[in-house]
Amino acid sequence: EVQLVESGGGLVQPGRSMKLSCAASGFTFNNYDMAWVCQAPKKGLEWVATISYDGSSTYYRDSVKGRFTISRDNAKSTLYLQMDSLRSEDTATYYCARQVGYTTDSYYFDYWGQGVMVTVSS
Amino acid sequence: DTVLTQSPALAVSPGERVTISCRASESVSTGMHWYQQKPGQQPKLLIYGASNLESGVPARFSGSGSGTDFTLTIDPVEADDTATYFCQQSWNEYTFGAGTKLELK
Repeated sequence: EVQLVESGGGLVQPGRSMKLSCAASGFTFNNYDMAWVCQAPKKGLEWVATISYDGSSTYYRDSVKGRFTISRDNAKSTLYLQMDSLRSEDTATYYCARQVGYTTDSYYFDYWGQGVMVTVSS
Repeated sequence: DTVLTQSPALAVSPGERVTISCRASESVSTGMHWYQQKPGQQPKLLIYGASNLESGVPARFSGSGSGTDFTLTIDPVEADDTATYFCQQSWNEYTFGAGTKLELK
C-alpha cells in the first residue's frame, strides 16, 4: 500500500524558515518524480514544486522561486521542502504527492499524503 | 499559465446524473485530470488523461473532453459523492481549477 506521511509543520514567524518532510513507503521511491502541492485555508490547490526521480531536476512556481527548495533522499525514501523567508501568504496545508507522467507533457498526482499545516504569523 | 475555470457549486439528488465542467484558457490536448476532495481529507485522483478511470474508482465516474472543454460525469450520484471536485492540467505549468462543490439535496 502506497503511503506518504508528511511532518514538520506548525506555527512560524514571517521571515523565518521551516522544513517539511514526507516519508514514502509501499512503492519504489526512486522510480518516481515527487511534488509538493499546497492549499490555503478554504481555498483551492496550488502546485508548489516538483523534483525528478533522481533529484537532478527541480521545478518551482514563481512565487516560491529563490525561497523554497525541494530535495529528496532516495536512500531514506524521503522528500523534503525547505521553506525560507516565509510570508503570511505561504500559510496553507502542504501535501506531498507522487507524480506520474500521462504523456511527456502532461503529469498528474496519483497518491497524496494527509497534509501538514504551516501557519506563518507573528 | 493556463487558467482552468469551473462552476462553483452544484446541488443534485441521489440517483441523478451530474456533469461537472472545466474549461481551459488554452488547449491542453487530453492532459486534464480530475480529483475528489472530501472535507478534512487529501485529494484523491479519479480520472487521468481526460477519460481514464483510476484503478479502484467506481465506474459511476467518467471523464470526457479534449482541447479546452472537459467534463466529469457521475452517474448515478450517491450520498458519499458529496465533495469538491478539482480539474488539473500540466500542459503549461501546473494549474488546478478553483473546484466545484457538489452537494446532495
